[in-house]
Amino acid sequence: EAQVTQNPRYLITVTGKKLTVTCSQNMNHEYMSWYRQDPGLGLRQIYYSMNVEVTDKGDVPEGYKVSRKEKRNFPLILESPSPNQTSLYFCASNQTPRTEAFFGQGTRLTVV
Amino acid sequence: GQQVMQIPQYQHVQEGEDFTTYCNSSTTLSNIQWYKQRPGGHPVFLIQLVKSGEVKKQKRLTFQFGEAKKNSSLHITATQTTDVGTYFCAATSGGGADGLTFGKGTHLIIQP
Repeated sequence: EAQVTQNPRYLITVTGKKLTVTCSQNMNHEYMSWYRQDPGLGLRQIYYSMNVEVTDKGDVPEGYKVSRKEKRNFPLILESPSPNQTSLYFCASNQTPRTEAFFGQGTRLTVV
Repeated sequence: GQQVMQIPQYQHVQEGEDFTTYCNSSTTLSNIQWYKQRPGGHPVFLIQLVKSGEVKKQKRLTFQFGEAKKNSSLHITATQTTDVGTYFCAATSGGGADGLTFGKGTHLIIQP
């Protein structure tokens, strides 16, 4: 079954404690991206990756890092989380930037 | 980056009434996609439109792409409780690799 898997689904952490949200896809897609979803703001792109070792900033990259060492994995790293990063995060993969996006189940992050 | 405006933000309807959400851009779009997100869920792809003036139907859902490729609409006929959720448009323009820009979504609330 084609899917995008994110972990964890829920996370509560404290300010400044580094965390990683994992994302894996089994569709051999080259394009992957991270979004955050906040009430009234919709889905905003954080980072995207065109292929292995190729990543670029989206609309709201501040405070986030990503890596793409393998095609299937695209982890999101928060080196020093702050309360304004409390949000619902989605990973997505597409065959190309313009084709259908497959979303993971989401990670609800709370930073206290 | 480009902006995609989506209206209305919220729509309350009685079950059985019709529903329409609109998506507008100031720039010409390469294509437009529509997604549905159920409460507590993740966005799920519904359809993609690429041609000027294109109209596609999925059962009670009708999708349109404007002649100038700057606007789109999703119309649901005779809403049912299963239609509850947030509907997002997402668009690409030009040759950028940054992928989809999402509208802020329309929350459809259905009263039985």
